[in-house]
Amino acid sequence: DAMVIQNPRYQVTQFGKPVTLSCSQTLNHNVMYWYQQKSSQAPKLLFHYYDKDFNNEADTPDNFQSRRPNTSFCFLDIRSPGLGDAAMYLCATSRDRAMNEQYFGPGTRLTVT
Amino acid sequence: AQSVTQPDIHITVSEGASLELRCNYSYGATPYLFWYVQSPGQGLQLLLKYFSGDTLVQGIKGFEAEFKRSQSSFNLRKPSVDWSDAAEYFCAVGTYGGATNKLIFGTGTLLAVQP
Repeated sequence: DAMVIQNPRYQVTQFGKPVTLSCSQTLNHNVMYWYQQKSSQAPKLLFHYYDKDFNNEADTPDNFQSRRPNTSFCFLDIRSPGLGDAAMYLCATSRDRAMNEQYFGPGTRLTVT
Repeated sequence: AQSVTQPDIHITVSEGASLELRCNYSYGATPYLFWYVQSPGQGLQLLLKYFSGDTLVQGIKGFEAEFKRSQSSFNLRKPSVDWSDAAEYFCAVGTYGGATNKLIFGTGTLLAVQP
């Protein structure tokens, strides 16, 4: 089945230690998104790629970076995780830039110790 | 600015009872509206969407939603709730920003189902 895959499902990192979360998709969608979702809150968009074009949200901290080496993969890099970065990180895809639904992966739960 | 309000943070219903989850939006143009469901520790699954046309839309798992422009609402309904419906429900409005489409989510409604 075509899908959005996130690895790992659970990630524990130490305060200040860089961490990378991975997302892959078999849908061949042009757009990939990264959301941060803290406990009992709505998902908050961090950034998205349309093909290779990167779009950062205005309030996304510089500590968060992203890479999209090809259509299928997208990475979220947190350069120096703080305790406040502990959250669920959701990857999503959308077919193209026109308005349509987003398909979400299962998420990566990040714990910062 | 676009926004979505879900007035009910937490709702408890009995199994077999009907359900209505409220959603109000603020958007200057014709809205694109979505309902997503999130089970504990999981990603979001699309229940249904409204883009245009018939204001009553049918979704998966027996859910439906009605778009009411005059009330700026897009409430989710289900005639008979099952225990497996216990989850968090997010209403979202689609908008354009940057290169492509984006979703603005409400804060969610947590649904509990009691026997």
